[in-house]
Amino acid sequence: ETGVTQTPRHLVMGMTNKKSLKCEQHLGHNAMYWYKQSAKKPLELMFVYNFKEQTENNSVPSRFSPECPNSSHLFLHLHTLQPEDSALYLCASSARATGDTQYFGPGTRLTVL
Amino acid sequence: GQNIDQPTEMTATEGAIVQINCTYQTSGFNGLFWYQQHAGEAPTFLSYNVLDGLEEKGRFSSFLSRSKGYSYLLLKELQMKDSASYLCAAEGYGAGNNRKLIWGLGTSLAVNP
Repeated sequence: ETGVTQTPRHLVMGMTNKKSLKCEQHLGHNAMYWYKQSAKKPLELMFVYNFKEQTENNSVPSRFSPECPNSSHLFLHLHTLQPEDSALYLCASSARATGDTQYFGPGTRLTVL
Repeated sequence: GQNIDQPTEMTATEGAIVQINCTYQTSGFNGLFWYQQHAGEAPTFLSYNVLDGLEEKGRFSSFLSRSKGYSYLLLKELQMKDSASYLCAAEGYGAGNNRKLIWGLGTSLAVNP
């Protein structure tokens, strides 16, 4: 399944680095999402974009900055992260932001040293 | 508050049947999703229930009771490849009256020969 792709698949960064995660969907969907998945915790919704407009920000620290230039692409810019930010970051898309099935990318495994 | 409860771990034997339960509490309710997630991979969609009753899809079936806030995923003729985490997610409403998915921790199923 290559409907939603994410790069890089693995990322190791120091607390002072700046990096970006990229997500691309080839499904013609209008809604895109960033999730954080940590061990022993449920999936945490971070951001939602619907038709390129941000519709949800779940109290995410400003060291995470999303960008959605069009309905097919979603970025997550990272800067001055903390070790507790180490997790799997999943991107998902759906036809609409309400009630439609979300399709996930393979995720980026992020380690912050 | 909003929350999802599902067992943390289950074990079953190849060829058997297993039922994974999920109870939910949400602000409003629109439907319930089940996803499968193999270790190190993206969650993949299994089923979506809106109305009460059983929906069958091959070896997998999903049941919903809206009045009881309860769902289960039934896996028949278990195969080794069914060893995975099964995520229950209920769609309710978040801040700003936006629809949002409330995710469970996932049930880690181990299928033994």
